[in-house]
Amino acid sequence: NFILTQPHSVSESPGKTVSFSCTRSSGAIASNYVQWYQQRPGSSPTTLIYEYKQRPSGVPDRFSGSIDTSSNSASLTISGLKTEDEGVYYCQSYYGNTMIFGGGTKLTVL
Amino acid sequence: QVQLVQSGAEVVKPGASAKVSCTASGYTFTTYDINWVRLAPGQGLEWVGWMRPDSGTTDYAQKFQGRITITRDTSISTSFMELTNLSPDDTAVYYCGVSAASGIDYWGQGTLITVSS
Repeated sequence: NFILTQPHSVSESPGKTVSFSCTRSSGAIASNYVQWYQQRPGSSPTTLIYEYKQRPSGVPDRFSGSIDTSSNSASLTISGLKTEDEGVYYCQSYYGNTMIFGGGTKLTVL
Repeated sequence: QVQLVQSGAEVVKPGASAKVSCTASGYTFTTYDINWVRLAPGQGLEWVGWMRPDSGTTDYAQKFQGRITITRDTSISTSFMELTNLSPDDTAVYYCGVSAASGIDYWGQGTLITVSS
């Protein structure tokens, strides 16, 4: 098994670009797909990125995903920040059939 | 379009059980895997378990082994997640989600289970 570590919180201003990291504790980040979810308070999560960098239909191209094998991490980047982007962002990968979630990063846009 | 509709909130006493349903529409129920995930107060998302609806094959998070059962009724396109011997630590919103590709592509609206005496 492994752990996905995310920063606890991030703050940035509207219009700026922000990136969140998701670091895998053991095993290669590239060995299992990584997904990213957004959760606003009181709402169900929504899927932003699947398979490291793929966007579901309807997700704006302001959201992008990548991996960095040198740091064994995945990243979510949001450009042109909007106040509606506030929420908690989770990365997720797999260990066999088991879904592993990161602890989540709370984004504040102010 | 894919829709997942979950059963309503429950308040249960410690030691009791709760059973949450998740009814799917907009696709062939047996096509996609179903995952159950929970969000406890002040915590992050936590995977609970998984089912392959066509075969009924399941896998559960180790911390819930022995207390959780995920089943399905394909005739009504519904998955059920039952958690037994509940404690206040199990108070959470429980979500079902469908996996068409990798991860969860579609989410239910969530079901709040409150464990309180």
